[in-house]
Amino acid sequence: KNEVEQSPQNLTAQEGEFITINCSYSVGISALHWLQQHPGGGIVSLFMLSSGKKKHGRLIATINIQEKHSSLHITASHPRDSAVYICAVRFNWNTGNQFYFGTGTSLTVIP
Amino acid sequence: DVKVTQSSRYLVKRTGEKVFLECVQDMDHENMFWYRQDPGLGLRLIYFSYDVKMKEKGDIPEGYSVSREKKERFSLILESASTNQTSMYLCASSFEGLARSTDTQYFGPGTRLTVL
Repeated sequence: KNEVEQSPQNLTAQEGEFITINCSYSVGISALHWLQQHPGGGIVSLFMLSSGKKKHGRLIATINIQEKHSSLHITASHPRDSAVYICAVRFNWNTGNQFYFGTGTSLTVIP
Repeated sequence: DVKVTQSSRYLVKRTGEKVFLECVQDMDHENMFWYRQDPGLGLRLIYFSYDVKMKEKGDIPEGYSVSREKKERFSLILESASTNQTSMYLCASSFEGLARSTDTQYFGPGTRLTVL
């Protein structure tokens, strides 16, 4: 079964806190994608991972292929980080370019 | 910068109407996608296209059709809109490179469709 699960569903944090959002998937993948969706709908790509770790500013994404798990970390969170964060994976069996999406984590950072 | 645009941000239609949602990308991408996004369900793929005049069904194609006559344009058609098609519709595109695992999808701003 092709499942992508995210946790938590909702997260409220104080400005400055360290935030972790988790993504687990059921079978082997060739790529994992972290996306950010701001109110109003626009989706922006944050990271594309197939192994290891990537860092961009205050954002860090890690993936553990053996455990079928990825985390998105935000250091020194800020109210402008408030958004829905979505994990998407491409499963190994899929020879096309189709991604399967988690239901998202809604983050609110309070000043 | 890649730009993916959608014809409308908000649309209100009546049950039974034919609805066209258009998506245009300016980066010569081979792949284009139509998703719908509903609370608690995440993004679900309706249709995608690998090239002009080529289309593949996604997970929820029922009630929808698509058209790709030109590489930059991918249209989603609701032949007879129904209330359960009220949703946010998102278009995306990606380049079909040799390194398939690094194909980033670029999303449009979305169209919020309400069917009354």
